[in-house]
Formats: sequence, C-alpha cells, structure tokens
Amino acid sequence: SQTIHQWPATLVQPVGSPLSLECTVEGTSNPNLYWYRQAAGRGLQLLFYSVGIGQISSEVPQNLSASRPQDRQFILSSKKLLLSDSGFYLCAWALPGQASGELFFGEGSRLTVL
Amino acid sequence: GDSVTQMEGPVTLSEEACLTINCTYTATGYPSLFWYVQYPGEGLQLLLKATKADDKGSNKGFEATYRKETTSFHLEKGSVQVSDSAVYFCALSDRSGAGSYQLTFGKGTKLSVIP
Repeated sequence: SQTIHQWPATLVQPVGSPLSLECTVEGTSNPNLYWYRQAAGRGLQLLFYSVGIGQISSEVPQNLSASRPQDRQFILSSKKLLLSDSGFYLCAWALPGQASGELFFGEGSRLTVL
Repeated sequence: GDSVTQMEGPVTLSEEACLTINCTYTATGYPSLFWYVQYPGEGLQLLLKATKADDKGSNKGFEATYRKETTSFHLEKGSVQVSDSAVYFCALSDRSGAGSYQLTFGKGTKLSVIP
C-alpha cells in the first residue's frame, strides 16, 4: 500500500533562517506531488506541484521554492524565512492521470517563524 | 477560474443533532467533487467524493450529492458524534494546463460537537 511521510512535524525558526521540509512517498511510481499551505483562517493554498523529476510548477510567487530530486521525494525550501511563512504545510500525492483527481495527504508540518 | 465556497464556521452542535455544511462551486468543465476532513493536529483525509452529476458520496454516516443544476455539494449527517469534531473542506478537481489534476479547496468549516 502507498504511504506518505513528511518531516519535521513541527519547526520553530527565526526570521531570516533557511527552511527545508521533506516529503517522501512509498508504494507508487511517478506520482504527482503537491505542497499546500494552511494559514490560520485562510484555508488551503496550493504552493507547488510536480508531475515528474525536476518538473516544478509554482502557483504563488513568494520566497519559497520546491525541488524534486527523486521520483518520490519532494522538498520545500526557503533561503530566508519571513514571519508570514508561518503555517501548516501539507504534502500530498496523486496517481498520475487519475480522472477523479483525489489527493492523499501527509501528516503535515507546522512551521512557526519568530 | 475554479472556486469553492463553503459556509463560514465555526459550527457548534450537540451530540445527535443534524448537520448540514453548504458548499457551492464554480468550474468551467465537469469537475469531481470531494469532502475532506482534518482532525486536530493531522493532515487531510478524504471523507467522500462524487465524480459526476447526481452521484451521491457517502462514508461514516456522512452524505453529499453532486447537484449540477445548483452547482452544490452539501455535506449532511443525520446524527453527529463528538468524534466528528474536525474541520471539513469542500473541494473540486479539474484538469490543469499541465495535464495533472488539481484540487481547489474551500476555506474549511470547523465543527465542534458537544456532549
């Protein structure tokens, strides 16, 4: 069966520090991968998605970036965090080409920028 | 573009009360519709889905019917439990320009069920 893991689960970082959140999927090949952010009172915002290794699409311009160095690994990064980067970050995967578009989510990573 | 509008929360109900969370959508194509649930401190889980008009999704006593004529997908449960306390997200899936499917979410509705 397929599983998705992301870490760290919680992170407290000072403004201006770097960020790296990692997500891995097991039990499937060539999944579509997604990073969402959930900020308080603002629902879910799609940040990046990837349909293959090295292929990243950005939905919102910001100081975050994403990379997909391996088929089932998706990394969210920042060189310098802002206060506004605080939130709950969710990684998700989907079967490629699946007509319904159902997503499977990781446990989430809570980032607090001080 | 696509959008999802769901009723503002929070919603507080007594145990065994009836629940309705309204959800309407706008989409250019023929999207699939979903309800996801997020329990405290966790990621999102799929609760139910419907892929075409008049389909009814159901799970754990929750139901929602895909109504194309009213562009709605309201979530209902006849008798809620304390364990149903969570944030509920309505979402639609449509094909992106890159050929992948993307979900557009509503802002979420927090439900609290008190004994």
